[in-house]
Amino acid sequence: QVQLQQWGAGLLKPSETLSLTCAVYGGSFSGYYWSWIRQPPGKGLEWIGEINHSGSTNYNPSLKSRVTISVDTSKNQFSLKLNSVTAADTAVYYCASGSVGVITNYYFYYMDVWGRGTTVTVSS
Amino acid sequence: SSELTQDPAVSVALGQTVRITCQGDSLRSYYASWYQQKPGQAPALVIFGKNNRPSGIPDRFSGSSSGNTASLTITGAQAEDEADYYCNSRDTSGNHQVVFGGGTKLTVL
Repeated sequence: QVQLQQWGAGLLKPSETLSLTCAVYGGSFSGYYWSWIRQPPGKGLEWIGEINHSGSTNYNPSLKSRVTISVDTSKNQFSLKLNSVTAADTAVYYCASGSVGVITNYYFYYMDVWGRGTTVTVSS
Repeated sequence: SSELTQDPAVSVALGQTVRITCQGDSLRSYYASWYQQKPGQAPALVIFGKNNRPSGIPDRFSGSSSGNTASLTITGAQAEDEADYYCNSRDTSGNHQVVFGGGTKLTVL
């Protein structure tokens, strides 16, 4: 059973860079899309971006200019960097594994394994 | 389109059946996946694909789809089903985004 363990700094000042890492244990690193999702206090889920094992990335257009997601296949880890943070970036940040495929001309996508979340607070 | 629309709140009497819906253009090409989130916890997948449940998810949870609308049905809702529910798919407009609905708060009365 795949497990995700995530870590990173929880308190940042405005304009600093958020940096989180997620390690994949107990399963294959290839064949999946590894995502970062965040949830501001009292609000819904927002997808930040994803990377696959070969390093191909997709980002949320609203965050693309500030986000970098990278992968270290030698360690089965992927990381998130979000620069120039503001109070609006205060949220719980999750990593998750995504699977995509097609069944009789209909696609599917789901995230079946999630990290426990890291609370990131941006405050001066 | 990259939007998925959910009703903000739904309530159900204990033991009754409730349907939570999700609308979006991408659902004409993608099955929605559904996640349950309880306070202070990470989201947990409850339905994926045409109508599949991960191991450990009770069979009172089921999924269906028609046109641009996906539905999560809980047949015989239990007190422990009170939670936020999110639908999810990928955008089909070409930018490869992952999209979430705004979430539905389910109250079990």
